[in-house]
Amino acid sequence: GDSVTQMEGPVTLSEEAFLTINCTYTATGYPSLFWYVQYPGEGLQLLLKATKADDKGSNKGFEATYRKETTSFHLEKGSVQVSDSAVYFCALSDQAGTALIFGKGTTLSVSS
Amino acid sequence: DGGITQSPKYLFRKEGQNVTLSCEQNLNHDAMYWYRQDPGQGLRLIYYSQIVNDFQKGDIAEGYSVSREKKESFPLTVTSAQKNPTAFYLCASTLNGGSNQPQHFGDGTRLSIL
Repeated sequence: GDSVTQMEGPVTLSEEAFLTINCTYTATGYPSLFWYVQYPGEGLQLLLKATKADDKGSNKGFEATYRKETTSFHLEKGSVQVSDSAVYFCALSDQAGTALIFGKGTTLSVSS
Repeated sequence: DGGITQSPKYLFRKEGQNVTLSCEQNLNHDAMYWYRQDPGQGLRLIYYSQIVNDFQKGDIAEGYSVSREKKESFPLTVTSAQKNPTAFYLCASTLNGGSNQPQHFGDGTRLSIL
């Protein structure tokens, strides 16, 4: 079945460092891909999305490009801030749109 | 402001007891979902509903039940048959369940066993 694999954390960075969180997927067809962020004690918030191959999603300095040839959707940010500390989830939506399939999440901790 | 409201924020269950988690949305969304989150496990789908009076089992429906009598409400009952209910429960919705639609989430309910 469809699945999402994220790099394991925690990822610990200093402020202004470059961030990459790897995400690869297995799916039939052409799923939509999402990155969500979860701050402590809260629900998930959509960070960005891409609905077809070569699309680039971007928001708040974060970017991810839908790479069909490598089945990847890696999250990047050029300069992280302390406020970016959170858990990041990669997810895909199946063709039927019945639900999202999530990766296990990657915890990011940014220190000043 | 439109959104999803989950209540209570914290809930405690005694052995053999059923408990119900509330989820209400005022986004006028057709589709609603319940997920369970365990540490290091990501989110797993319990139930979903794409229209009033209809719902489908997700990957881990055993020990849970739902109803969808109103468009805006999708309560989840954790029954005594669920032997390991301690987790963070998240409710979500989408406009009409389309595959390119992002899901909107509530702030969750944390359930613990007394």
